[in-house]
Amino acid sequence: SAVISQKPSRDICQRGTSLTIQCQVDSQVTMMFWYRQQPGQSLTLIATANQGSEATYESGFVIDKFPISRPNLTFSTLTVSNMSPEDSSIYLCSVGTGGSYGYTFGSGTRLTVV
Amino acid sequence: KNEVEQSPQNLTAQEGEFITINCSYSVGISALHWLQQHPGGGIVSLFMLSSGKKKHGRLIATINIQEKHSSLHITASHPRDSAVYICAVFKRGGMEYGNKLVFGAGTILRVKS
Repeated sequence: SAVISQKPSRDICQRGTSLTIQCQVDSQVTMMFWYRQQPGQSLTLIATANQGSEATYESGFVIDKFPISRPNLTFSTLTVSNMSPEDSSIYLCSVGTGGSYGYTFGSGTRLTVV
Repeated sequence: KNEVEQSPQNLTAQEGEFITINCSYSVGISALHWLQQHPGGGIVSLFMLSSGKKKHGRLIATINIQEKHSSLHITASHPRDSAVYICAVFKRGGMEYGNKLVFGAGTILRVKS
């Protein structure tokens, strides 16, 4: 299955600033997914990123707050903009890989906004 | 009511015990996932199954499509099994790897030595 390198693993940021999270996949994939996991909650899909087109955002998430880039089939970034303490979460990227496991997830970015 | 329900929410076991985590869902699915999340936040996919039973090492996953229920079993549990275990389903009719993946709330497992 695919291997994903996600960076940074954690960060502490000041409110009002932005953080860009990167995911690099070791193989070409059509769709990449970005999730948020708020403290004590399960995963919520933010958006689906396709190469060469605009990301598709889920209800409650907007491009101005969570801009996504997908410049090629192995890389994507998610930016958390104008951060507030409510944005403190774990952010994960994921790709569909087929086979027995279906999905591969990144190692997560633990974001704390102060 | 959540479309995917897990039980128990928290589970503490002694090393060596046989562990069962349950997942029930209320929607039509094309596949069900069991995921493992460690304290750092990273997630590992353990199983994807649409029928029957799968085994990997000390882990066994079963699914009963008619009853809309799946179980994850851990035999001879070990402290390193301590993690959050998440059940997730691919809702039938959605993109195979797309935005129809619905997650349970997770089961926090602690295995004591």
